[in-house]
Amino acid sequence: GAVVSQHPSRVICKSGTSVKIECRSLDFQATTMFWYRQFPKKSLMLMATSNEGSKATYEQGVEKDKFLINHASLTLSTLTVTSAHPEDSSFYICSARDMDRGPYNEQFFGPGTRLTVL
Amino acid sequence: AQKVTQAQTEISVVEKEDVTLDCVYETRDTTYYLFWYKQPPSGELVFLIRRNSFDEQNEISGRYSWNFQKSTSSFNFTITASQVVDSAVYFCALSEDTGRRALTFGSGTRLQVQP
Repeated sequence: GAVVSQHPSRVICKSGTSVKIECRSLDFQATTMFWYRQFPKKSLMLMATSNEGSKATYEQGVEKDKFLINHASLTLSTLTVTSAHPEDSSFYICSARDMDRGPYNEQFFGPGTRLTVL
Repeated sequence: AQKVTQAQTEISVVEKEDVTLDCVYETRDTTYYLFWYKQPPSGELVFLIRRNSFDEQNEISGRYSWNFQKSTSSFNFTITASQVVDSAVYFCALSEDTGRRALTFGSGTRLQVQP
């Protein structure tokens, strides 16, 4: 159990286009999902916390108009990179908390989406 | 604010050697959770272990073992008799029990196991 999927796994786009990344919890409900960003050979940095039915909470320095997050249901959160530019190229990873698993704060990670902006 | 430090950027060992990956953390919370993840070249994070702040028992799982020392704020990870398949980047992470409960990751340690 506790499987999280991400789609697409890899995307290449032209500068100026928008890209939507989906994060789904397949066999559990997730009131909270997190979006992380990882540059090559770097650590994962939290971008935002996505709560079902409410606005996302963005970390300092993350542009909310650039990275639109929608958490429309208990199993789906989407991240849209608007007007993408080469500096947005990165590995984006989502995670979801299983609300039935008590206080352990364990998060289940998706396989990641590698975004390349030309 | 919470912080996780993995001072070892890269470690190279020969197969069958034991290797220890260090992790030091900072937090003001009394309740918190520590994690280790493995990230192979594919990029997908593989969960290895979770430890809560009230449980200082060390844990062993096969060739893996973890040493949690609250007195020194450390949560070190040892691989015994390393294998080539252990080559990956390993991340230590911390989650507090309040607020967002997101994970704060260390910078990661790249482990290369040579045959």
